[in-house]
Amino acid sequence: DTGVSQDPRHKITKRGQNVTFRCDPISEHNRLYWYRQTLGQGPEFLTYFQNEAQLEKSRLLSDRFSAERPKGSFSTLEIQRTEQGDSAMYLCASSTNPGPNSPLHFGNGTRLTVT
Amino acid sequence: AQTVTQSQPEMSVQEAETVTLSCTYDTSESDYYLFWYKQPPSRQMILVIRQEAYKQQNATENRFSVNFQKAAKSFSLKISDSQLGDAAMYFCAYRGYGGATNKLIFGTGTLLAVQP
Repeated sequence: DTGVSQDPRHKITKRGQNVTFRCDPISEHNRLYWYRQTLGQGPEFLTYFQNEAQLEKSRLLSDRFSAERPKGSFSTLEIQRTEQGDSAMYLCASSTNPGPNSPLHFGNGTRLTVT
Repeated sequence: AQTVTQSQPEMSVQEAETVTLSCTYDTSESDYYLFWYKQPPSRQMILVIRQEAYKQQNATENRFSVNFQKAAKSFSLKISDSQLGDAAMYFCAYRGYGGATNKLIFGTGTLLAVQP
């Protein structure tokens, strides 16, 4: 168990640029979540995958955001035409079936700064 | 929609003392889970303790225990014999039983400082 890995740890970009983050969940975990955390706030749910299927997307996930998990393993989160309001910590978490009792294992996050 | 409220943005405790962090939530569901997560500075979030709503007995994990009051929709975390390593942001979280997602809904967090 190597834990949930996120890359990069930090990303600084200029407004209007596209960015992509990667998450590698714990290998046997088929559920994968993306959260966004801004300063002084708790993590907010963005989207959820079960295997390769994206089963839920938050209203926070505007059309500039897209997430994929093509083979049910790693996932990517892309933000197009970044805005200063996108500056936040992006957290990935994974868990196993079944049910809500299965705890989420979080990665260290990717901190995005949009200048 | 479910909500989680943590009314204490910051708390402080002396080393070896006991501190209680408050959390209230709102839901219309009868079955759910509640969690406390700890997020140390610049480190990943880790699970501290969890409570199933159908269990009346309060969960305990070593120095960490909860006071779960289902009728009052209250879920406080007690840390006994506080240690310097307990300093962190603590998040209360709710997870419903139904639906496919089972996503966590977090409160805004309580920043705990431990004074030596």
